[in-house]
Amino acid sequence: EAGVAQSPRYKIIEKRQSVAFWCNPISGHATLYWYQQILGQGPKLLIQFQNNGVVDDSQLPKDRFSAERLKGVDSTLKIQPAKLEDSAVYLCASTLGGYSYNEQFFGPGTRLTVL
Amino acid sequence: TQLLEQSPQFLSIQEGENLTVYCNSSSVFSSLQWYRQEPGEGPVLLVTVVTGGEVKKLKRLTFQFGDARKDSSLHITAAQPGDTGLYLCAGDWSGTYKYIFGTGTRLKVLA
Repeated sequence: EAGVAQSPRYKIIEKRQSVAFWCNPISGHATLYWYQQILGQGPKLLIQFQNNGVVDDSQLPKDRFSAERLKGVDSTLKIQPAKLEDSAVYLCASTLGGYSYNEQFFGPGTRLTVL
Repeated sequence: TQLLEQSPQFLSIQEGENLTVYCNSSSVFSSLQWYRQEPGEGPVLLVTVVTGGEVKKLKRLTFQFGDARKDSSLHITAAQPGDTGLYLCAGDWSGTYKYIFGTGTRLKVLA
């Protein structure tokens, strides 16, 4: 079974530039999450999708971050414009969804450096 | 805002030693998960605990959920270099299966 795919793996940009990350979850997984992990900290949930609908985006800085999940499969996370404090690893995870204690399967992450 | 505090933050031990990592909160969890994350990779689930007082074992790893479901511990027996990594607990307070991650414990096991 293929895992969660993310691209790019690394990205370096100047502050005020834009950047986009892509995630392809495990086939058949209804729930998709984007997390931000700052160096030395645990992941922080940015947004949760159930199929192509948003379940929770309460911690997404909506003035600069946006995310979408097209046709309930792939997802993109965009930052525009980027700030220095956005430097972090952006993790995508997916689960089957439903009402069990789901295991989240994580992708390898995209490491963003904002200069 | 619910917070999950993990301790210690860093731990460096020799191969063969035992260790315990703690995860604490002032809130009651519906369930709690432990993950291990290696450099350049995403976290990988180790265990999910649900019932207060529950103990689960995974080879040399023993996980315990506090009776009041506010805390959890991870004990590793005879640590090996392959145990090196970032250990994360993640708690679900609301029963919605949306987990909030702790601050993490970075473990290094020296050969």
